[in-house]
Amino acid sequence: SQTIHQWPATLVQPVGSPLSLECTVEGTSNPNLYWYRQAAGRGLQLLFYSVGIGQISSEVPQNLSASRPQDRQFILSSKKLLLSDSGFYLCASRQGARNTEAFFGQGTRLTVV
Amino acid sequence: AQKVTQAQTEISVVEKEDVTLDCVYETRDTTYYLFWYKQPPSGELVFLIRRNSFDEQNEISGRYSWNFQKSTSSFNFTITASQVVDSAVYFCALSDFTGNQFYFGTGTSLTVIP
Repeated sequence: SQTIHQWPATLVQPVGSPLSLECTVEGTSNPNLYWYRQAAGRGLQLLFYSVGIGQISSEVPQNLSASRPQDRQFILSSKKLLLSDSGFYLCASRQGARNTEAFFGQGTRLTVV
Repeated sequence: AQKVTQAQTEISVVEKEDVTLDCVYETRDTTYYLFWYKQPPSGELVFLIRRNSFDEQNEISGRYSWNFQKSTSSFNFTITASQVVDSAVYFCALSDFTGNQFYFGTGTSLTVIP
């Protein structure tokens, strides 16, 4: 099965500072990769997904961007964080898409102060 | 557009009671895929089950069972004889026919009281 590595586990950043969250995947190749945000400890909002290197689809226009420089690397970035960017960020990977389940990382809890 | 609705935000039951978590979905696709995940307090999501749109057989796995009804666009999850370890947030998810997009509902927080 796949293993998803996400870091850091927790992060406290001031408003206006940049952000870079990294996700790497082991145990698969050419996966679909996803970034989700979970605000207020509940719903999972799909932010970005990628079906291949350099291919990024954005679900919600916002202050964040994503990149996929390598097959098993997915990065979530921001140039200037807002208070509303606080939340729990989860990276997920699906092999072969369609009916396959997604594997999730441990998540990064971001607090913007 | 794809949408998943979990109308129950929080449920509390006493241990050993049965509980059903509701999931209603919307999609224009004729082929799609449904999932349930569990999120314990640690935060990591744990996969429970998947179902293809062309397979309406219900499934039972131990104390867990799932009822998929295309006629009502529902994919409900029942825990029989609930235990304290079942306390978690449960998410229903929907994947479109391409498999690329993967949407989650808002989750149902289940608390099992000893």
